[in-house]
Amino acid sequence: DAGVIQSPRHEVTEMGQEVTLRCKPISGHNSLFWYRQTMMRGLELLIYFNNNVPIDDSGMPEDRFSAKMPNASFSTLKIQPSEPRDSAVYFCASSSWGAEEKLFFGSGTQLSVL
Amino acid sequence: SQQGEEDPQALSIQEGENATMNCSYKTSINNLQWYRQNSGRGLVHLILIRSNEREKHSGRLRVTLDTSKKSSSLLITASRAADTASYFCATDPTGANNLFFGTGTRLTVIP
Repeated sequence: DAGVIQSPRHEVTEMGQEVTLRCKPISGHNSLFWYRQTMMRGLELLIYFNNNVPIDDSGMPEDRFSAKMPNASFSTLKIQPSEPRDSAVYFCASSSWGAEEKLFFGSGTQLSVL
Repeated sequence: SQQGEEDPQALSIQEGENATMNCSYKTSINNLQWYRQNSGRGLVHLILIRSNEREKHSGRLRVTLDTSKKSSSLLITASRAADTASYFCATDPTGANNLFFGTGTRLTVIP
């Protein structure tokens, strides 16, 4: 298995622009998580899905952030409009809830908003 | 916040020595997990301990859990240079796999 695949690996954009981060979970996994990692705040859980349904989005910082999971093999995290304080590494993780209790992480997207 | 705290923030040891990292958390848990992160990479699961367990071993790793003190420790024995990484504890309050991560310990093993 290729593992969790995230794209792009790096994204540099200007303030005010729309940013879309993409994630392909491990095939057969039914839970998907978006995390954000910064030096100041560490790893923060933004949102997670079970069976493509958003379960808890209380970690999403503002309405500028939105996430979708249209099918079991794809999810997006969108920031519109982006701001410099959104600069961080965004990780996607997946798991097989009910069968396995550990998360498998992608390599992350390093986002820089100028 | 449900985020835990780890201690120390950074640890530097000689190869062959043991490394101990501590984690404190705030809420009740279903299980606690430890992850490793190499620089510029995603996190990798190391070991899981359930709330009704007190100690668990996996290879050179030993994890303890004290739910009365809301704390856990990770011991890496006979450390190697390849163990250099950041180590995070993560708590699962409900068993739903939505993990809350600690602040991490950055371990450096000097060859």
